[in-house]
This record gives sequence, structure tokens and C-alpha cells, in this order.
Amino acid sequence: ETGVTQSPTHLIKTRGQQVTLRCSSQSGHNTVSWYQQALGQGPQFIFQYYREEENGRGNFPPRFSGLQFPNYSSELNVNALELDDSALYLCASSVTGFNEQFFGPGTRLTVL
Amino acid sequence: TQLLEQSPQFLSIQEGENLTVYCNSSSVFSSLQWYRQEPGEGPVLLVTVVTGGEVKKLKRLTFQFGDARKDSSLHITAAQPGDTGLYLCAGALPSSGNTGKLIFGQGTTLQVKP
Repeated sequence: ETGVTQSPTHLIKTRGQQVTLRCSSQSGHNTVSWYQQALGQGPQFIFQYYREEENGRGNFPPRFSGLQFPNYSSELNVNALELDDSALYLCASSVTGFNEQFFGPGTRLTVL
Repeated sequence: TQLLEQSPQFLSIQEGENLTVYCNSSSVFSSLQWYRQEPGEGPVLLVTVVTGGEVKKLKRLTFQFGDARKDSSLHITAAQPGDTGLYLCAGALPSSGNTGKLIFGQGTTLQVKP
């Protein structure tokens, strides 16, 4: 059974740029959630994707957007990057209807 | 304001000591989970508790869900250096339905010294 994978591992961008992060869900899971974790804090829910549609969103602006593909993998896109977007971005997969989520190793984004 | 408050935020103990981490809220949760996270990695699920008053044991770790489903605790017996890490509690609110939106506490950093 393959776990959740994310790419890239690390990324450095400058303010105003755009970034795309990728996630492959665990085998058998059909739902992907994205979280932002600032240094020293717990993860904050960004949004969840199920059946290629957004299914719940946290308190993040529209410049945070996502996609889910037929194979259940997902992308997180962030436009007009700000310094405060520097964080660890975590992807978690699950089976819809169950709250147990399984996390990938994360992508460390640094915005300069 | 943090919906889930964890305490303590930092804990440094000697190998062999016992410890308890608390996760408290004024809100009722339909389920609560505990995760452990190591530096540079994603959180790893330890346990899920669903029923008020539920107690689950995982080797030296004991998890309890409060009767009112507003709080939880994690107790570690005879801590070992391998227990070092960030412990996170996360809850699902009934209003979240099946969105899978988890509310996380700010975490407890545990250091176990040999």
C-alpha cells in the first residue's frame, strides 16, 4: 500500500509569484485535504476535494485554489505569494465519510 | 482564539518519567484524533476517539475522550527518547459534516532526555 506523497519537498519563491504543489493520495482513498502549518503551530485547514470538486473550505483567500484529478491526486495553487505564505503545506487523504486522515511529508514553501 | 487548547506547549522530561498532555475546548467534537509529528515530516495518526468517556491504549500511551466530548488527554508511561516529537490533537466538529475539516490544537513539543 502506497502512502501519501507530495512534491516538491522544498520550494523557494519570491513575493508575487505563483506556486503549484502536488499530492498523490493513499491507495483506496478518494478524498484529499490540504493544510497550512506555520512554524510552531498546528495545521490549519485550507480546503478538501472529493469527486474533483471542493468540499469544504477554511478561512483562506481565493488566491488559494485547488484541483483534484480522476485518479484522486490533487494540486494546490497559490497566486500572488505573500511572505506570510511561508509554511509547511500538508496534504492528507481519507475515505469520504471518515475523519481519519493520513498525511504526506509536506512541502516546505519559503517566500522571499 | 484557539478552538482546541493544548497544554503544556513544551515539555522536557527525563527518560522513564510519566507525562500527560491535555487538549481542551468549549465545543463538542464528533471525534478527536491524536497525531505525532517529527521535524520535516507530516503528522502520523496515533488514535481516534469517538465516544464520550472512551479510553484507548496503545502500548505505553493512554488516550481518553472526555464524557462531554469537549476534551481529551494523552498519558505516556515511562517515556523514552523515541517519544520525542510534536503531539497534536485534532477534532472534527459536528457542523463540519463529512468535509473532513479537522481543527488542530497548537501542539505540545515533547523532549525526552536519555
